[in-house]
Amino acid sequence: DARVTQTPRHKVTEMGQEVTMRCQPILGHNTVFWYRQTMMQGLELLAYFRNRAPLDDSGMPKDRFSAEMPDATLATLKIQPSEPRDSAVYFCASGSGGGLVYEQYFGPGTRLTVT
Amino acid sequence: AQKITQTQPGMFVQEKEAVTLDCTYDTSDPSYGLFWYKQPSSGEMIFLIYQGSYDQQNATEGRYSLNFQKARKSANLVISASQLGDSAMYFCAMRPNFGNEKLTFGTGTRLTIIP
Repeated sequence: DARVTQTPRHKVTEMGQEVTMRCQPILGHNTVFWYRQTMMQGLELLAYFRNRAPLDDSGMPKDRFSAEMPDATLATLKIQPSEPRDSAVYFCASGSGGGLVYEQYFGPGTRLTVT
Repeated sequence: AQKITQTQPGMFVQEKEAVTLDCTYDTSDPSYGLFWYKQPSSGEMIFLIYQGSYDQQNATEGRYSLNFQKARKSANLVISASQLGDSAMYFCAMRPNFGNEKLTFGTGTRLTIIP
């Protein structure tokens, strides 16, 4: 049963610290998405990649967030420096995009708390 | 721009009854996909069902069916014979089939199944 994996599942950190979240997409999926879920904003897209190339990162605060795909099996989302307002659940999703129809399969999420 | 509206913040349904979760959408894209996701208390996002805007028939997946009314821009989720394990948040989402592939989510409906 292929799944998207995310690490860590939970992260508590102090304001100003660097946070790195990792995602392993489903093998064979060429599109990776990063979403953030908060009570106030709901689910919103931060960035997404196709074949490791960034296609849209307009949802990310550029001054502190960065997203990369070092290889096809790893996507990272980094926050430096972190702030309390970054507290949220961060989801990675993958799909075999590029065609007309595909589903996005979500990982279990990383729950980030910045104190 | 796309918008998803879920007008039912919460619903209580007796076990074994059918339940309909409402979803209306707005988009200027001629071709798009509609999705439903389930988020149980554990937090993961589980893909349930997909409906393409040009599909002639309503999508079905086991106990889930999507009542798609294109002219009304509605995509209601119907769960037949509800079970206690169906208690969760349910999110309606949409994505254009061309251009930016991000999912736009509604605010969700919290479904509680009563024994």
